[in-house]
Amino acid sequence: DIQMTQSPSTLSASVGDRVTITCRASQSFSSWLAWYQQKPGKAPKLLIYKASNLESGVPSRFSGSGSGTEFTLTISSLQPDDFATYYCQQYNSFPYTFGQGTKLEIK
Amino acid sequence: QLQLQESGPGLVKPSETLSLTCTVSGGSISNSNYYWGWIRQPPGKGLEWIGNIYYSGSAYYNPSLKSRVTISVDTSKNQFSLKLSSVTAADTAVYYCASMTTVNPFGYWGQGTLVTVSS
Repeated sequence: DIQMTQSPSTLSASVGDRVTITCRASQSFSSWLAWYQQKPGKAPKLLIYKASNLESGVPSRFSGSGSGTEFTLTISSLQPDDFATYYCQQYNSFPYTFGQGTKLEIK
Repeated sequence: QLQLQESGPGLVKPSETLSLTCTVSGGSISNSNYYWGWIRQPPGKGLEWIGNIYYSGSAYYNPSLKSRVTISVDTSKNQFSLKLSSVTAADTAVYYCASMTTVNPFGYWGQGTLVTVSS
C-alpha cells in the first residue's frame, strides 16, 4: 500500500495569507494525486486532480504541484470560505489511500 | 450532472451485516467512463477507501476489509450497493458513495449516511 502523510496536521492562518500543505507518499508514483476540501457535516469536494489540474468551478487561488513522492496544495490568498479540512488521495494503485488530513483554522 | 444518494439503516447490531445502496441520477451507471466507489469516515477521523466497482461487475476492495466486503451493481435500477459483514463498533462511520472516471478521482459524492454499530 502507498501511505500518504500530510503536513502539517493543523495550520492556523489569516485571511489573505498564502498557505501550502504538503503530502508525501511512501513510494514514488506519477501524477495520480487528488486534493479534496471537506467542511463539517459535508462530503469532500474535489479541488485538484492529476496533481496540478484544477477541477471545474474551483477558484484559481487553489493550485497543486509535485510528482514522485512529494505533492503540494497551495492557496494563494486565503478567503473566509477556505477554512476547512484538506485531504490528499493517491489513485495510482489499489488500495486508494488518503492522507490523514490538514485542518486549516483561522488565526 | 451526476447525483448520488446513499440509503440504508442507520443502526446495525454488532456481528450483523451493514447494507447500503447508492442511487445514481443524472447519468447512467452503465457509462463505461465511470467507476463507482464507497468511502467511509469514522466520527472525527479521516477518509478510508472501501472499494470500487465497474458497471460490468468488476470490483476492487481495500485489503483491510476485503474478507468482509461485497460491492455489487444493479444496472436496471441505476444503483450500486455495499455489504459489510460481521460489523463491530469500529465500523461506525459516515459512509459515502462516489463516482470516479477512468482518469479522474472522486468528483461526485453522495451526502453521506451515518451508520452506527451498537446493540
